Amino acid sequence: AQSVTQLGSHVSVSEGALVLLRCNYSSSVPPYLFWYVQYPNQGLQLLLKYTTGATLVKGINGFEAEFKKSETSFHLTKPSAHMSDAAEYFCAVKGNNNDMRFGAGTRLTVKP
Amino acid sequence: EAEVAQSPRYKITEKSQAVAFWCDPISGHATLYWYRQILGQGPELLVQFQDESVVDDSQLPKDRFSAERLKGVDSTLKIQPAELGDSAMYLCASSPLGDSGTDTQYFGPGTRLTVL
Repeated sequence: AQSVTQLGSHVSVSEGALVLLRCNYSSSVPPYLFWYVQYPNQGLQLLLKYTTGATLVKGINGFEAEFKKSETSFHLTKPSAHMSDAAEYFCAVKGNNNDMRFGAGTRLTVKP
Repeated sequence: EAEVAQSPRYKITEKSQAVAFWCDPISGHATLYWYRQILGQGPELLVQFQDESVVDDSQLPKDRFSAERLKGVDSTLKIQPAELGDSAMYLCASSPLGDSGTDTQYFGPGTRLTVL
């Protein structure tokens, strides 16, 4: 079975600073990895996903993530934080079936 | 852009009452999911439909929860009777195929349930 661990339930950065949200996964098969963002009282919106091919994945809103098999990681980054990036971020993993497992989430706060 | 629709957005009920949530997936999507998200946690799958058939309901508390997707399009999730511990966000998602790991799930805005 697949699982993910998101390191840090709360991350705070200053506007314009680097955003780094950490995700480590466990999977017995080659994983498919996803990052979703959730704004208060809303559903989840897909930021980016890794399936096969290039290990550096670019998503919406300037976010990107790099799949590192040797480290079993899929960390999410953005070079410069914006106030509108404040939200909850979820990492998720799937195997060959459609069983999506989510992490507990990381709340990103952006300080002016 | 097509979206997953859910209603109601908010529901307040008293324990022991019955509640129902509705979901309309993106047109043409074969697979529909219901998730429960407890405050401060990630979503957890309750039930997955492929067209009108249940594919996975292993985490659905069947003594009080039921779900149906009669015509393979929209779906209803019901709780009867509601308990205090059912307070959560109920999310519906859909995906085009459902039989591939690469298939992306698209989420609706959710229904926030508060049980008093």
